Amino acid sequence: DAGVIQSPRHEVTEMGQEVTLRCKPISGHDYLFWYRQTMMRGLELLIYFNNNVPIDDSGMPGDRFSAKMPNASFSTLKIQPSEPRDSAVYFCASSWAGGLNEQFFGPGTRLTVL
Amino acid sequence: GQQVMQIPQYQHVQEGEDFTTYCNSSTTLSNIQWYKQRPGGHPVFLIQLVKSGEVKKQKRLTFQFGEAKKNSSLHITATQTTDVGTYFCIPGNNRKLIWGLGTSLAVNP
Repeated sequence: DAGVIQSPRHEVTEMGQEVTLRCKPISGHDYLFWYRQTMMRGLELLIYFNNNVPIDDSGMPGDRFSAKMPNASFSTLKIQPSEPRDSAVYFCASSWAGGLNEQFFGPGTRLTVL
Repeated sequence: GQQVMQIPQYQHVQEGEDFTTYCNSSTTLSNIQWYKQRPGGHPVFLIQLVKSGEVKKQKRLTFQFGEAKKNSSLHITATQTTDVGTYFCIPGNNRKLIWGLGTSLAVNP
């Protein structure tokens, strides 16, 4: 397996633009997590899915952020409109049985909002 | 979700020195996971501890789970520059792992 795949790896955009981040989890994993990492706040869980259903989105910063998982092999995290404070590295991770087993992280998307 | 306190937040050592990071919880944990993130990289799973008093070793790394299952530690013997990174301990009591800032280790050659 190729592991968790994320795209793009880097994204530079201007404030107000829409940003879409993509993730392909490891085949067979039933949990998918979206994280955001900054120097100040560390690694924050934004939302996670179980069997394609959003379970907890309490970490989402607000209604500018939305996430979808239309099927078991694909998820998106969308920011609209983007703001400079959204600049961070966004990770997608997948696992089998959530917190009971190890999470496999993708390489991340480094987002810069100017 | 459940969170643990991890100390220290930062540690600088000379290559060859030992290093230890500690995790403490106010409640009993069913298990604890350790991850390492290299600078510019993504978190990578190291190990999971489940049993009270459990000790596991991976080469120069020794992981311990306290008898009361409320604390854990990671000890690195004779650090090398390849040990540089941030180490996270994550309680796995439920489906959502709670992450924090971890312990960032710098190794001076």
